[in-house]
Amino acid sequence: SSELTQDPAVSVALGQTVRITCQGDSLRSYYASWYQQKPGQAPVLVIYGENNRPSGVPDRFSGSRSGNTASLTITGAQAEDDADYYCNSRDSSVNHRVFGGGTKLTVL
Amino acid sequence: QVQLQESGPGLVKPSGTLSLTCAVSGGSITSTKWWSWVRQPPGKGLEWIGEIYYTGSTYYNPSLKSRVTISVDKSKNQFSLRVNSVTAADTAIYYCAGTSYGSGWSHWFDPWGQGTLVTVSS
Repeated sequence: SSELTQDPAVSVALGQTVRITCQGDSLRSYYASWYQQKPGQAPVLVIYGENNRPSGVPDRFSGSRSGNTASLTITGAQAEDDADYYCNSRDSSVNHRVFGGGTKLTVL
Repeated sequence: QVQLQESGPGLVKPSGTLSLTCAVSGGSITSTKWWSWVRQPPGKGLEWIGEIYYTGSTYYNPSLKSRVTISVDKSKNQFSLRVNSVTAADTAIYYCAGTSYGSGWSHWFDPWGQGTLVTVSS
């Protein structure tokens, strides 16, 4: 079972702001990274570290952390943001990694 | 820019061994990255399998550790995955990815290979 918990599904109206969350005790100590996955495609890194975006990722994507919760925020969601989103961090062992169960984001 | 490409059999018999290779191009496997394997059963979420550094140091998912071996071949600029005693539950898309580490105990997977589907069936 995953040690990082995500809501299975979230929806947002086109152009509105949505927050996708990831909860786990390890997040009190370690940052999460976030991945976007569209059907039939490999995951793509969108946020890492405190709040860093790889080159090419729109600035409407941002990350934050508070207590045991990491969040991915999309400010002004676009139709192309309709996808699955996964968080990843270390688990209770510093040398092991764990993914959240994923959140399916629907842009209405 | 580093690119990754998985290769290997798409069909493995139950109780057999799954073997995949990830070729690294556009960069050296002896860079500061670690190299990871991640899998995704059809219609399900991502699962971290393990990772390796070019020196041979490895970390594995505890739930798979007894059946998994990750190795590196510096001369061919590639790394590999072996999963023993496979069952239908090992049917998944297998991805290889580069793993970077940063400040504040942060890490991230980038880039990713395109993934390869491995089916366990007789």
